[in-house]
Amino acid sequence: QKEVEQNSGPLSVPEGAIASLNCTYSDRGSQSFFWYRQYSGKSPELIMFIYSNGDKEDGRFTAQLNKASQYVSLLIRDSQPSDSATYLCAVKPHAGKSTFGDGTTLTVKP
Amino acid sequence: EAGVAQSPRYKIIEKRQSVAFWCNPISGHATLYWYQQILGQGPKLLIQFQNNGVVDDSQLPKDRFSAERLKGVDSTLKIQPAKLEDSAVYLCASSFADSLSPLHFGNGTRLTVT
Repeated sequence: QKEVEQNSGPLSVPEGAIASLNCTYSDRGSQSFFWYRQYSGKSPELIMFIYSNGDKEDGRFTAQLNKASQYVSLLIRDSQPSDSATYLCAVKPHAGKSTFGDGTTLTVKP
Repeated sequence: EAGVAQSPRYKIIEKRQSVAFWCNPISGHATLYWYQQILGQGPKLLIQFQNNGVVDDSQLPKDRFSAERLKGVDSTLKIQPAKLEDSAVYLCASSFADSLSPLHFGNGTRLTVT
């Protein structure tokens, strides 16, 4: 079992729709959770982080965390073609390394 | 704020040759990471430094890879000798030392081993 698992996709949504990206993790000691976006040929860049159970909203992005289910998700509302990228989920235990999933590739079609 | 600096951007070498990558983290970031990202996969941690000490190098192939962070600032990652399977993007990242801080990545070095 991988430490961090994501649906590999590809996920395709029409412009303006909601994109839902999911991530599960195995280490119950994980403390912080991050979503990074990676455009083709570029480095990952931080979109959102979440530490507490529940929802956290930032503009069109909402991160959801359920520690009991070891599940974290990212919702992208009003998806735009510029959102087309690979989304990486990263999990970090207290003072430990960040472990990444293999990413979900999202395509937003105009 | 200046970002994480990495060089070179691209490198092509033949198998069994050696190669070195350099990284300068964001000023004030105590933690420095080297990740390997193979096409289609997520970044895999090779080594994590806290200041100039190694925190985690459990996935570093120590028979061929080495890394150092002298004076707790910039860092070099070396591969000697390189294998075909080392073809990947090598990402350097830095962060503050606390457990909640996100990673800031450099532009990466794309290595091709022929």
